[in-house]
Amino acid sequence: DTGVSQDPRHKITKRGQNVTFRCDPISEHNRLYWYRQTLGQGPEFLTYFQNEAQLEKSRLLSDRFSAERPKGSFSTLEIQRTEQGDSAMYLCASSRSGGRINEKLFFGSGTQLSVL
Amino acid sequence: DQQVKQNSPSLSVQEGRISILNCDYTNSMFDYFLWYKKYPAEGPTFLISISSIKDKNEDGRFTVFLNKSAKHLSLHIVPSQPGDSAVYFCAASGSGNQFYFGTGTSLTVIP
Repeated sequence: DTGVSQDPRHKITKRGQNVTFRCDPISEHNRLYWYRQTLGQGPEFLTYFQNEAQLEKSRLLSDRFSAERPKGSFSTLEIQRTEQGDSAMYLCASSRSGGRINEKLFFGSGTQLSVL
Repeated sequence: DQQVKQNSPSLSVQEGRISILNCDYTNSMFDYFLWYKKYPAEGPTFLISISSIKDKNEDGRFTVFLNKSAKHLSLHIVPSQPGDSAVYFCAASGSGNQFYFGTGTSLTVIP
């Protein structure tokens, strides 16, 4: 399977705990995105990497959120001191740069976070 | 501030008929639009795209129409099949690297 892989699929945590999610993009894709989706809403942009450089971050990404992409391969998204409002589906997507107009995002199956 | 809007949360269509899903946007800088399909417990999958230099793009049973003056796009599925039942999201991008998604339309194709 050469699709985007996310781990874990589900995470239940208590408020105040730290959580970390992992995303493995399609191997030849140099762009990686994190999105968040809540019930009844579309995916909301969180952050974007081109290779290992984090080029853009949404205002939605508070100081409790940090994302990394060491060596331009897999990426991790960490949420510190989780709050109940962080409960959502966290989606990772990757794409190959080749002109913005032709860019297509390939999404993973997401990590469903529940903060109790 | 919802820059991409899908005002119909749900749509039901008989198998074999046409499904028309609508999407409106507010940002005149958007020049690239995509449609994604999402099944439960899966991530969205790419369906079809269109750039602002075109007003129509077709791929098999799926056609996307773009009306730039009205800031409106639509996805036509003909003929609709039960396997098309899913949530459909439209997305748009402009000069930045973000893709802005609508809230989705849940399509049910009735056999």
